[in-house]
Amino acid sequence: DVVLTQSPLSLPVTLGQPASISCRSSQSLVYSDGNTYLNWFHQRPGQSPRRLIYRVSNRDSGVPDRFSGSGSGTDFTLKISRVEAEDVGVYYCMQNTQWPLTFGGGTKVEIK
Amino acid sequence: EVQLLESGGGFIQPGGSLRLSCAASGFPFGTYDMSWVRQAPGKGLEWVSTISDSGGRTNYADSVKGRFTISRDNSMSTFFLQMNSLRAEDTAVYYCARGQDFQNPWGQGTLVTVSS
Repeated sequence: DVVLTQSPLSLPVTLGQPASISCRSSQSLVYSDGNTYLNWFHQRPGQSPRRLIYRVSNRDSGVPDRFSGSGSGTDFTLKISRVEAEDVGVYYCMQNTQWPLTFGGGTKVEIK
Repeated sequence: EVQLLESGGGFIQPGGSLRLSCAASGFPFGTYDMSWVRQAPGKGLEWVSTISDSGGRTNYADSVKGRFTISRDNSMSTFFLQMNSLRAEDTAVYYCARGQDFQNPWGQGTLVTVSS
């Protein structure tokens, strides 16, 4: 199974400052079609998760452009250019390159 | 507007069975794979199962294989998760989602509590 390791586990951030979350995969996430199926999700307290980024770097509709995804192969990063109060919660990376589908353990973002 | 609405959760004793439903609207249901994802209390997200658009292909997490069965009724834009031989560790909020990549929006979730 593909193991996704996120770091840090907890990320205290100052409003208006940047934030970065790493997701490392135990195997390459490049599929045979050439695409890399690595996605990022955000879950606010008490809410359902919401996908932010699909296939490494594509923002979902309605996702602010302060969110960006990058990476390749086994190393991926989610960046928030300027953290806002509504960005608190837990962020998860997830791969659907191979079965079983797997999530990272999550990174909790909180405001300092 | 895309909507997913789960139902069927509840309190059940170990060894019991439950059937979850997810009613979909606002998109061509029969052209999408559909998935179940769960979240145990205070824990992270765990993929449970996915069914292909036609229903001809299913995949399961090892933790539920042989106990859970995913199915769908495209005429009713609904898919299901039949959960048998439930264990305490199956206690979680169960979410339904579109695709293998869990497109937005997810359902609001339905809580399954397995306890004696």
